[in-house]
Amino acid sequence: AQKVTQAQTEISVVEKEDVTLDCVYETRDTTYYLFWYKQPPSGELVFLIRRNSFDEQNEISGRYSWNFQKSTSSFNFTITASQVVDSAVYFCALSVRAGNMLTFGGGTRLMVKP
Amino acid sequence: DGGITQSPKYLFRKEGQNVTLSCEQNLNHDAMYWYRQDPGQGLRLIYYSQIVNDFQKGDIAEGYSVSREKKESFPLTVTSAQKNPTAFYLCASTNRATTEKLFFGSGTQLSVL
Repeated sequence: AQKVTQAQTEISVVEKEDVTLDCVYETRDTTYYLFWYKQPPSGELVFLIRRNSFDEQNEISGRYSWNFQKSTSSFNFTITASQVVDSAVYFCALSVRAGNMLTFGGGTRLMVKP
Repeated sequence: DGGITQSPKYLFRKEGQNVTLSCEQNLNHDAMYWYRQDPGQGLRLIYYSQIVNDFQKGDIAEGYSVSREKKESFPLTVTSAQKNPTAFYLCASTNRATTEKLFFGSGTQLSVL
């Protein structure tokens, strides 16, 4: 069975601070996919990134960066110079190659104050 | 624009009543999913369908039913057997499997009167 843990339920920062959202996963499959989704107040989940288990390269997209470490089963997400528009709930998720379900973490609510 | 449309945005259920949540997509996706989100919790899978006229139970299917008569549509019925239906319901779709990214609708908030 798969499991995703987001230990931080809520984080509050002041605008322009950097913030890291933690994600730890568990799976026995060697081929798997990790995702991050953003859920703004409107409710719709928005896809941010997909990473497969064979690609441990870190990725940067503007102010967003992701650190994938198989050795610690972690896929952490960092927002640099946070902005108020980054306020949302962020979900980490895991899918295995042969499975049909996406396992979500409990989510981290990020509040960025002006 | 392609996307997923959920309706209604808000829905109220009376005791003993069945209610149906609508989910329509024009992305030509084969697979569709229904998730339930409770406050402060992650998403839990209710039902999914990978092809027309076929669907599978997810983790929390009890008290819910679905149909998939058309590729574009995947309605969810919350039956009177679901004793705690108050939650936010999200519909999603993907072209192949959950190893690809999901596209989500904007959700339906269901409350009990």
